Order: sequence, then C-alpha cells, then structure tokens
Amino acid sequence: EVQVVESGGDLVQPGGSLRLSCTASGFTFSKSWMSWVRQAPGKGLEWVATIPEGGGETYYVDSVKGRFTISRDDAKNSLYLQMNSLSVDDTAIYYCVTDTMSNWGQGTLVAVSS
Amino acid sequence: QPGLTQPPSVSKGLRQTATLTCTGNSNDVGKQGAVWLQQSQGHPPKLLSYRNNNRPSGISERFSASRSGNTASLTITGLQSEDEADYYCSAWDISLRAWVFGGGTRLTVL
Repeated sequence: EVQVVESGGDLVQPGGSLRLSCTASGFTFSKSWMSWVRQAPGKGLEWVATIPEGGGETYYVDSVKGRFTISRDDAKNSLYLQMNSLSVDDTAIYYCVTDTMSNWGQGTLVAVSS
Repeated sequence: QPGLTQPPSVSKGLRQTATLTCTGNSNDVGKQGAVWLQQSQGHPPKLLSYRNNNRPSGISERFSASRSGNTASLTITGLQSEDEADYYCSAWDISLRAWVFGGGTRLTVL
C-alpha cells in the first residue's frame, strides 16, 4: 500500500523558516516524480513544487521561487521542502503528492502569524 | 501563473448524472490530459482519474473522464449523497513546466 506521511508543520512568525519532510513507502520512491501541493484555509489546491526522479531539475510556482527549495533523499525514501522568508500568504496545509497526483498524505499545517 | 477553469458549483439530484468541466489550453489539458481529484470536507484529495479516463484501483465505474480538445470532463452517474464534495482538475503544463489546477467545483447532491 502506498503511503506518504508529512511532518514539520508549525506556527512560525513572518520572515521565519521551516523544513517540511515527507516519508514514503509502498512504491519505488527513487523512480517517482514527487510534488508539494498546498491548500490555504477555505481555498483551493495550489501546486508548490515538483522534483523529478533523480532530482536533477526542480520546478516551482512563481510565488515561492527563491524562497522554497524542494529536495529528495532516495536512500531514505524522503522528500523535503525548505521554506524561507515565510509570509502570512504561505499559511496552508501542505501535502506531499506522488507522481501524477496519485497519492496524497494527510498534510501538515504551516501557520505563519505574528 | 495561469490555471484551469472550472465552474464554481454544480447541483444535481440523487441518482442523476453530473458532468463537470475543466478548460485549459494546448500546453496542459490539450497536450497531457487532466487528472481529476475528489476532496470531501476535512479530508485530503483523492485521485479519481488520470490521463483522461484511467481510474485507479478502487474508484467506482460511476466516475468517468474524457477530453475534447482543451476541455476535460468528469461524468458522475447515479449520484449518491457521498459524492457531495469538491472536485478539482489538474494538468502538467509542458510550457510552464508546472502543475496547474482548476479552482474546484463544489458538487451538491440534492
């Protein structure tokens, strides 16, 4: 059974940093494209970042370019999202998603507030 | 960044058929097809269909997807109360190298 479990969400002040983690199991992680998708309270889904198998390239939504970094550790079946210079607009549930939006974790809540 | 266009809401009666639409362009829906996701209140999204009409294991045959040009559609037959949810479409834009999402359609089953 495919499982992805996110962690690392927290309450952080504007301008702060946070690192999200996602641990995957039940599939060949190293061969899977992985993404982060977020959902602000009461809003729709927003794609944040994607990293293909191999991790040689990364793709980001414009609003997080230069602030967020997606990375992966295939030896640990893990996906990460380093988030810097956080603003209130980054407040959302962050989901770790496999491949073509196939499998979603329960999400981890990032709240940015003073 | 641009996104896909979905009607904000659709209402249909129990046991009726609902068709949800999702319009993109030749770089996303028109090129790669769309995925369809269902999100019930308080739950993460669940994949219903990928590459137009491939259903993951466990998804009811009442859900079927199709595409015509730059518009993808999700048809739900024999509506049940548990189908009441938000439905999102998404597609990989080969020009932007980005996933784009629709704003979501809230389906109400009367």
